[in-house]
Amino acid sequence: GESVGLHLPTLSVQEGDNSIINCAYSNSASDYFIWYKQESGKGPQFIIDIRSNMDKRQGQRVTVLLNKTVKHLSLQIAATQPGDSAVYFCAENNDYKLSFGAGTTVTVRA
Amino acid sequence: DAMVIQNPRYQVTQFGKPVTLSCSQTLNHNVMYWYQQKSSQAPKLLFHYYDKDFNNEADTPDNFQSRRPNTSFCFLDIRSPGLGDAAMYLCATSRDRGIQDGYTFGSGTRLTVV
Repeated sequence: GESVGLHLPTLSVQEGDNSIINCAYSNSASDYFIWYKQESGKGPQFIIDIRSNMDKRQGQRVTVLLNKTVKHLSLQIAATQPGDSAVYFCAENNDYKLSFGAGTTVTVRA
Repeated sequence: DAMVIQNPRYQVTQFGKPVTLSCSQTLNHNVMYWYQQKSSQAPKLLFHYYDKDFNNEADTPDNFQSRRPNTSFCFLDIRSPGLGDAAMYLCATSRDRGIQDGYTFGSGTRLTVV
C-alpha cells in the first residue's frame, strides 16, 4: 500500500492497493472527529467518525486511527478503487463546531 | 431522499449586487451552519444558528449575514459581493449541540461574481 507519514496535499495510488491519508488536528480539546470525501462540485460526504475515547474504528473498507498524544488522525482505505478518487478532509469537533483540516486529493491509477 | 437542500446549485451575481443563497432541511435539526469553501481549500465556518440563536465566527466579514425564519430554512445573504467572495457555499445541519452523531451537508451552491 501507499502511505504518507505527514499530511500531503496529493496522493496517487494504484488501484487495488491500500491508501493511508494523514491529518494533524489542532485542538487537544476536540472530542469527535470525522473523515469526509468530497467529489468535484459536491458537498462533503461522511465516511467514518471516531470519538476521542477511542483510538481505532473500522467501517466498510475504511479504518480511522486516532492518536491523541500527537494529535494525529489517519484514514486507511483498503483495496482502493477508481471511485475513491476525491478530496479527503478530516474534521474535528470542538464546542459543537466542526473545523476542517487541509484536504488530500487522492488519485487512483488504473 | 435529499435531507439538506441548497438552492440554487449555481448562482451568478454581479459585483456589488446583493445575493441570497438558501438552505432547507427535512431533518428537524436544531443547528444549521454555513461554510465557505474556496477553490482547493477546506470549508471554513462562517456562522451557525442554534435554534434561533445566531453565532458569528470572529473572522466572518460583515458583508455576510444570515437569517433563519424557521427550523427548516436558513439563508445566507451577501450584501455586496466582491470577486473574492466567489466560492462554494455549503450548508450543514446537526441534531443538537454536544451530540456526536454527525453533521449532514448539502450539495452546496457555487457562487460566481462577475
